[in-house]
Amino acid sequence: AQKVTQAQTEISVVEKEDVTLDCVYETRDTTYYLFWYKQPPSGELVFLIRRNSFDEQNEISGRYSWNFQKSTSSFNFTITASQVVDSAVYFCALGSAGGTSYGKLTFGQGTILTVHP
Amino acid sequence: NAGVMQNPRHLVRRRGQEARLRCSPMKGHSHVYWYRQLPEEGLKFMVYLQKENIIDESGMPKERFSAEFPKEGPSILRIQQVVRGDSAAYFCASSPPAGPWEQYFGPGTRLTVT
Repeated sequence: AQKVTQAQTEISVVEKEDVTLDCVYETRDTTYYLFWYKQPPSGELVFLIRRNSFDEQNEISGRYSWNFQKSTSSFNFTITASQVVDSAVYFCALGSAGGTSYGKLTFGQGTILTVHP
Repeated sequence: NAGVMQNPRHLVRRRGQEARLRCSPMKGHSHVYWYRQLPEEGLKFMVYLQKENIIDESGMPKERFSAEFPKEGPSILRIQQVVRGDSAAYFCASSPPAGPWEQYFGPGTRLTVT
């Protein structure tokens, strides 16, 4: 069975602080994909990143960066110099490349990030 | 290139009525997925469909829920005899034939059962 745990239910920071959202996953598959999505107050789901299990390179996109550590089954997300517009719920998700979980994403419970001015 | 379309965006039903949620995938996408987000929870997979074919419905409740993706027209998620516990946001995603790892989500339908 696949599982994604986002231990931080809510995080509150002041603008310009850096913040890291944790994600730990469980899977027996050797090939899998990891995702982060943002859900702003308007409710839609915004895709942020997808990584496959063979690519452990960290990635940076503007103020966003992701740290994938296969050894600890973690895929953490850092926002540098946070802004009020970053306030949202952030979901980490796991997808399997085969087997009975093929095609379905398993989501974590989400982390509510509030950035205060 | 229009994204995934869902309608209605908001739907209110009384207990016992039927709810029909529609999803039009992105152009060129032939795979559709439905997810449900209960209040204060993450998204849970419900069903994975290709045109005229259900690939995986392991996340669908056994009763009252059904889904289809006909050869022509949108995918439909149908909930019969709705109950208060069905109140949730229902998201549809679509992906190209190459594989399910480019799932693009629609804006969701928020179902409220009164």
